[in-house]
Amino acid sequence: GAVVSQHPSWVICKSGTSVKIECRSLDFQATTMFWYRQFPKQSLMLMATSNEGSKATYEQGVEKDKFLINHASLTLSTLTVTSAHPEDSSFYICSVLQAYEQYFGPGTRLTVT
Amino acid sequence: RKEVEQDPGPFNVPEGATVAFNCTYSNSASQSFFWYRQDCRKEPKLLMSVYSSGNEDGRFTAQLNRASQYISLLIRDSKLSDSATYLCVVNQPTSGTYKYIFGTGTRLKVLA
Repeated sequence: GAVVSQHPSWVICKSGTSVKIECRSLDFQATTMFWYRQFPKQSLMLMATSNEGSKATYEQGVEKDKFLINHASLTLSTLTVTSAHPEDSSFYICSVLQAYEQYFGPGTRLTVT
Repeated sequence: RKEVEQDPGPFNVPEGATVAFNCTYSNSASQSFFWYRQDCRKEPKLLMSVYSSGNEDGRFTAQLNRASQYISLLIRDSKLSDSATYLCVVNQPTSGTYKYIFGTGTRLKVLA
């Protein structure tokens, strides 16, 4: 399956700052990528679907102005958490869609102090 | 009723045991089904895709029952390394498109 990387793997930031997370498809040109968030002991929650060259589709309840997604190329999508607050602390995971299967990046653990 | 339901467990089984998990889904138009395993604080890894009636890969067997709307995962000869959370994922039509719906996962602990 597709190989996906994420950077950074973890980040600690102060409340009010912005954090950018990169998701790269290393061996596959990904038209569609997904961004998820996972809180402790909970399942993955889809935040948005990122399509190359077009605007991302956000799930209900996810603020598009707070979670900025850019999918400018077939190998890179970025998620920027703007004005982060402690409640944004979570595990953020991206995935790429290859045929009908999703392959996940290793995730980014965000802690906002 | 949840779109995708799993028994959260934990299932505690001895090494060498056979264990089965079920996952039920609510939308009969669902097209494809997947089992992922997720280790603590790690990303999900694809274990098996199920497009027709079932799939087998070594000690792992997945079966799909469309009439009863469930997918099962059978693990034979459990190893300590099988300890993880197993996520059921269903690709179903939602508002004119297809979405991947995740179950909450079933925790498995294989005991020495």
